[in-house]
Amino acid sequence: DVKVTQSSRYLVKRTGEKVFLECVQDMDHENMFWYRQDPGLGLRLIYFSYDVKMKEKGDIPEGYSVSREKKERFSLILESASTNQTSMYLCASRQGGTKNIQYFGAGTRLSVL
Amino acid sequence: AQTVTQSQPEMSVQEAETVTLSCTYDTSESDYYLFWYKQPPSRQMILVIRQEAYKQQNATENRFSVNFQKAAKSFSLKISDSQLGDAAMYFCAYRTVSGNTPLVFGKGTRLSVIA
Repeated sequence: DVKVTQSSRYLVKRTGEKVFLECVQDMDHENMFWYRQDPGLGLRLIYFSYDVKMKEKGDIPEGYSVSREKKERFSLILESASTNQTSMYLCASRQGGTKNIQYFGAGTRLSVL
Repeated sequence: AQTVTQSQPEMSVQEAETVTLSCTYDTSESDYYLFWYKQPPSRQMILVIRQEAYKQQNATENRFSVNFQKAAKSFSLKISDSQLGDAAMYFCAYRTVSGNTPLVFGKGTRLSVIA
């Protein structure tokens, strides 16, 4: 089975802190994604990466950055956390190619106080 | 840009009954993929069913089936013989056939199953 692991299920941080959300997949997938999930807004794409050291902005990249130094790991970085970044963050990965299924991690619920 | 619309924020169904969740999408592409994902209260999102636009036959996975109407850009999910474990958020999603494009999600429908 494909496993997408997010390092924390719950995080509580202070406004202004630098926050790292880590995601690791074990199936050698080329593509990795970070989404934010809020009630009534569904899933919104923050950033995605289709190869090591490559990144593309999604729909809501402001206030976030990402890092992909190794194929299996995709990090989401909040440079200076703000209260409006309190949310559920979902990581996903997918093999390259046309037909492949996207797999999700369990999510990290981040609270910024 | 492609968009996905789920017009039912919440639905409920009696156990053992059938329910249909609606999804419409907007695209100018002729070939693409459509998906239904399920997110139970534990939050792990899993794939329920997938449809390839060039296939006219509606996809089926056990109790889950879709009604794919390409001309109408409609992709509804039918759950037959509903079970308590079907209670979840359901998300409709779209993707072009280009290899590295991300999924575009609707806002979701919360399904409750009444015993």
